[in-house]
Amino acid sequence: EVQLVESGGGLVQPGGSLRLSCAASGFTFSYYWMSWVRQAPGKGLEWVANIRPDGTEKSYVDSVKGRLTISRDNRKNSLYLEMNSLRAEDTALYYCVREDKHTFDVWGQGTMVTVSS
Amino acid sequence: DIVMTQSPDSLAVSPGERVTINCKSSQSVLHRSSNKNFLAWFQQKPGQPPNLLIYWASFRESGVPDRFSGSGSGTDFTLTISSLQAEDVAVYYCQQNYSGKTFGQGTKVEIK
Repeated sequence: EVQLVESGGGLVQPGGSLRLSCAASGFTFSYYWMSWVRQAPGKGLEWVANIRPDGTEKSYVDSVKGRLTISRDNRKNSLYLEMNSLRAEDTALYYCVREDKHTFDVWGQGTMVTVSS
Repeated sequence: DIVMTQSPDSLAVSPGERVTINCKSSQSVLHRSSNKNFLAWFQQKPGQPPNLLIYWASFRESGVPDRFSGSGSGTDFTLTISSLQAEDVAVYYCQQNYSGKTFGQGTKVEIK
């Protein structure tokens, strides 16, 4: 079964840091572009970042550039999101997502990040 | 960035009736060399992650009931549910992958 399982979310103060992880199984992880997509409470969906299969190319939405960093370890079938200088507006459910057919075809259940003092 | 605008924001329909949701992009999402529109539709039920319904504007994802269909090209797209079932109550999003990756604001579908 194709599966993505996120972890690492929690409550953090403004300006703080957090590292999200995503464990992939059931497919050849190293073949696929991967993304993080977030959803603020009661709001819509926002793509955050993605990374090429070999990790050599990364893209970010403008609002997170310089603060969030996507990475992957294909030996461990894992995707990561390093989050620094967190702001209240980063509060959201963060989904790990596989890319295929020029869209997002497999989603994890998400991990919640809350930025508050 | 390409802005995706859905209409309506919400609708209530009786079971068995047809549902039409529109999505308009601020610029074309037709990839000319592949002749594919980089436009997808998702369904999100409460407390669940989004689920891919349609990709390349009109291709139904495996396992998706055939009452769901997508159409359109360029800048104007439509998701149609031919006969609404109770389990179709959800928020529906369109999403483009032509330039950046942006979603519409969502359309909430309820049972009347």
